[in-house]
Amino acid sequence: GQNIDQPTEMTATEGAIVQINCTYQTSGFNGLFWYQQHAGEAPTFLSYNVLDGLEEKGRFSSFLSRSKGYSYLLLKELQMKDSASYLCAVIRGSNYQLIWGAGTKLIIKP
Amino acid sequence: ETGVTQTPRHLVMGMTNKKSLKCEQHLGHNAMYWYKQSAKKPLELMFVYSLEERVENNSVPSRFSPECPNSSHLFLHLHTLQPEDSALYLCASSQDHKGAGYGYTFGSGTRLTVV
Repeated sequence: GQNIDQPTEMTATEGAIVQINCTYQTSGFNGLFWYQQHAGEAPTFLSYNVLDGLEEKGRFSSFLSRSKGYSYLLLKELQMKDSASYLCAVIRGSNYQLIWGAGTKLIIKP
Repeated sequence: ETGVTQTPRHLVMGMTNKKSLKCEQHLGHNAMYWYKQSAKKPLELMFVYSLEERVENNSVPSRFSPECPNSSHLFLHLHTLQPEDSALYLCASSQDHKGAGYGYTFGSGTRLTVV
């Protein structure tokens, strides 16, 4: 089958670092996305990983291990505006089907 | 401005009503999607259109009827909905229906409440 797991909710402190994990079981892996979604707004693209390793983009980094079926999103120097849901999605198969996780709600406290 | 515009933002409808959701993109993308987002559940893909042709229909009830008159516009026609259809309906577009690496651009969604 195909399954994506990520924590339902996480809390972190402003200025700190937080890591949001995503594990997946799927065949025909073709890449992994991370999206950010503020309440009542559109999901917005954060990162795309298709090869193993770390992709850094400013305060946000995304890591992928294909052999472990594992990814994480690392957020540094947290700001209050980072309070949002973070969605993990895996591309699978020759028709590039997108499988979504349920999202992780991140709460930032002062 | 995300490049994908959805109207209306909020909709309350009775179970016997007929309404339509509209999505418009000016990004030059060739693929458009309808997703349903319910609280604490993964995004559910409903329909995929590529170059105005429906390429995917994920066993969606017939009370939801999509229409794609051109590559910039997508509609979702609703009739005789059920309360469990209440959710956020998101439209998205991508360069092509594979979307790999390019990502998807989402609209802000229509918050639908069926009473």
